[in-house]
Amino acid sequence: KNQVEQNPQSLIILEGKNCTLQCNYTVSPFSNLRWYKQDTGRGPVSLTIMTFSENTKSNGRYTATLDADTKQSSLHITASQLSDSASYICVVSVDSNYQLIWGAGTKLIIKP
Amino acid sequence: EAGVVQSPRYKIIEKKQPVAFWCNPISGHNTLYWYRQNLGQGPELLIRYENEEAVDDSQLPKDRFSAERLKGVDSTLKIQPAELGDSAVYLCASNGKGEAGTIYNEQFFGPGTRLTVL
Repeated sequence: KNQVEQNPQSLIILEGKNCTLQCNYTVSPFSNLRWYKQDTGRGPVSLTIMTFSENTKSNGRYTATLDADTKQSSLHITASQLSDSASYICVVSVDSNYQLIWGAGTKLIIKP
Repeated sequence: EAGVVQSPRYKIIEKKQPVAFWCNPISGHNTLYWYRQNLGQGPELLIRYENEEAVDDSQLPKDRFSAERLKGVDSTLKIQPAELGDSAVYLCASNGKGEAGTIYNEQFFGPGTRLTVL
């Protein structure tokens, strides 16, 4: 069964600190892996998209990694800001690119 | 460029009542999706349209849910009658054809409609 698991479920860190969110997947056939940020009351917004051959991609203070052999991905946030408080969702695309397998998300809270 | 527009943003109804949600995708986007998102979960696909054709509605509970995209642009999602378990956020997303050099289609999401069924 195609599945995406994320941990931790929730995380609280102080402003300015770094953090890393984890994603494990069992999806076949694999097309690409996406990280979305979802603010409360808003729709998800794409942060990064990585294909099988890419093992790292950055978007500002966000850096995603992908290990296709172990089927793991991480999202590292550097120098966190209050505006980083949101849910971060790992999504794996099956080969059609239209079928997306969504994780449950990690709820990140940044405290001043 | 305007993003995906949805209305209403919030809706509270009593069970057994009908409800409808409206979505206007990004201009030029042929593919439109309706998702349902329960609290603390990722979105679940309900239906996908290519222009006016519903090409994947396998997860749509057809006994009470219906959707249409008559002119291949705006779309409506209807629930009749609503049940308590339908309380969720209903998200609309759209994407166009992948840009040259990419092999994926990025989906752009609207803000969602939060439905509460009492």
